[in-house]
Amino acid sequence: DAGVIQSPRHEVTEMGQEVTLRCKPISGHNSLFWYRQTMMRGLELLIYFNNNVPIDDSGMPEDRFSAKMPNASFSTLKIQPSEPRDSAVYFCASSFWGEPGPGNQPQHFGDGTRLSIL
Amino acid sequence: AQSVTQPDIHITVSEGASLELRCNYSYGATPYLFWYVQSPGQGLQLLLKYFSGDTLVQGIKGFEAEFKRSQSSFNLRKPSVHWSDAAEYFCAVGAREKLIFGTGTRLQVFP
Repeated sequence: DAGVIQSPRHEVTEMGQEVTLRCKPISGHNSLFWYRQTMMRGLELLIYFNNNVPIDDSGMPEDRFSAKMPNASFSTLKIQPSEPRDSAVYFCASSFWGEPGPGNQPQHFGDGTRLSIL
Repeated sequence: AQSVTQPDIHITVSEGASLELRCNYSYGATPYLFWYVQSPGQGLQLLLKYFSGDTLVQGIKGFEAEFKRSQSSFNLRKPSVHWSDAAEYFCAVGAREKLIFGTGTRLQVFP
């Protein structure tokens, strides 16, 4: 079975540009999570969706960050405008949201997008 | 508040030696516990999980973990480490709506 697919794998762009990261979750999973990983902060949960609806975006660092999930098989994380401090590896993960919640299910991670903002 | 502590930031072992990575959690209810491994340039891969039942859980790649409620611990073990086990290891506790990850332990393996 195909795992979580993220694109692009690497992105290098200049400060001020718009960046769009893409994720295709595992078929049948109904929860999707976006994480950011840096040396300084470790793994941070940015936002997560259940059945395509954003549930908690309290981890989104600023209004420059936005995420959408227009359907069950696709999500985007957008940064506009980008800044050098946004440089990190961004991971998407998916799982099945059962009862009492997705915290009792393992998450399956993509290979990440390594983002460098110059 | 829910939290996960991995007290060892970096561990070095010789190939063939045994390994134990520590994980302590804080969670008010019955925890769902996970160990993930991250190789360089890759995402996190699930090693094993504990939901209930037998407190000794077997995972992939020869790893096992033991849940000890009295110590709020879920330590990861492997009897004989291989060079390919060099990676970063994350412990996580399942809160109701999300996973809470520890800060990770980086494992270095010497030949």
